[in-house]
Amino acid sequence: EAQVTQNPRYLITVTGKKLTVTCSQNMNHEYMSWYRQDPGLGLRQIYYSMNVEVTDKGDVPEGYKVSRKEKRNFPLILESPSPNQTSLYFCASSTLGGPGETQYFGPGTRLLVL
Amino acid sequence: RKEVEQDPGPFNVPEGATVAFNCTYSNSASQSFFWYRQDCRKEPKLLMSVYSSGNEDGRFTAQLNRASQYISLLIRDSKLSDSATYLCVVNMGTHRYSTLTFGKGTMLLVSP
Repeated sequence: EAQVTQNPRYLITVTGKKLTVTCSQNMNHEYMSWYRQDPGLGLRQIYYSMNVEVTDKGDVPEGYKVSRKEKRNFPLILESPSPNQTSLYFCASSTLGGPGETQYFGPGTRLLVL
Repeated sequence: RKEVEQDPGPFNVPEGATVAFNCTYSNSASQSFFWYRQDCRKEPKLLMSVYSSGNEDGRFTAQLNRASQYISLLIRDSKLSDSATYLCVVNMGTHRYSTLTFGKGTMLLVSP
């Protein structure tokens, strides 16, 4: 089954404790992206990657890092989480077939930073 | 001006009603347009792409007006299962290839 998976699905942590949210897709997609979704603000892009070893900032990259060492994986790293990073995070992937390509989303990771 | 704006909602309608959602976008160079559906606490899922000629998928009709930078979604004969948040999504066609910009969404509640 074609899918995007994220782990963990739920995470409670404390300020400053480094964490990684994994994202994996089995569709051989070149493009992967991370979003956060907050009430009243909608979905905002954090980082994206157009292929292995190619990453770029989205609209809200501060406080986050990513890496793309393999095509299927695109982990999101919070080196020193803060309470304002409490949010619902989605990973997404797509091909680079053209601007009309849609994105497939993972199930989401709900993060609470105390 | 916000990049993608939608009716704030929520829209409360009875089963069988017809409901229309509107969306405007700021970048005239935008290349592609979508409607996504998001159920509570779930991931967004593509409902339909929006083409210049307008397109229909069963009870759903999407229209695009490039001159007015306006997109619409019409749902006919609403079902209880249509209750969800509908996201207007635009590829702004900037140097950031394939970057999607999301509206904040409009919530639809269909009641018996």
